[in-house]
Amino acid sequence: DIQLTQSPSFLSASVGDRVTFTCRASQGIGRYLAWYQQEPGKAPKLLIYSASTLQSGVPSRFSGSGSGTDFTLTISSLQPEDVATYYCQQLTSHPYDFGQGTKLAI
Amino acid sequence: QVQLVQSGAEVKKPGASVKLSCRASGYTFSNFYLHWVRQAPGQGLEWVGMINPSGVSTRYAQNFQGRVTMTKDTSTSTVYMELSSLRSDDTAVYFCARTSWFGEFSHWGQGTLVTVSS
Repeated sequence: DIQLTQSPSFLSASVGDRVTFTCRASQGIGRYLAWYQQEPGKAPKLLIYSASTLQSGVPSRFSGSGSGTDFTLTISSLQPEDVATYYCQQLTSHPYDFGQGTKLAI
Repeated sequence: QVQLVQSGAEVKKPGASVKLSCRASGYTFSNFYLHWVRQAPGQGLEWVGMINPSGVSTRYAQNFQGRVTMTKDTSTSTVYMELSSLRSDDTAVYFCARTSWFGEFSHWGQGTLVTVSS
């Protein structure tokens, strides 16, 4: 199975900061990676798919990059509503596991 | 618009079974795979398995093999997940999710809380 390791586990930043999350796969997955945002008590929300494609309706301050084993999610200017936990997920083969998540605080 | 509406909260005793439902609307049911993902209290997301609404194929995570069964009712655009031999560590919110063109989980149900307690 493909393991995904996210870092850091917890991140604290200020409004307006540039924030970067990292996701590393245990083996190459091409660009078959998605990023999700989950607010407390809510279902996850798709932000990015195919490593760098922004889902419709997601603010342009979110961006994704990477391929193979190393991926990043960046928020260019942190907003108060971005407080959430962020998960990456590999979509190359089952089991379609998630990383352990990065909790973002302001 | 695409909607996934899940059944209500359940409370079960250890050893029992639970069957959850997820009714899809707003798109052609047979066109996209449906998955189940669970989240234990304070924990991350765990993929449980998937079902192909246009056929009979299913895939389950190793952790659930032998305990989980996913089925569908095409006439009502509903998928079901039955989990048996429940344990306390099966207490979680269970989400259904629909894939989109590149396999990403683009639409999610609201979640169903399953509590396993004696």
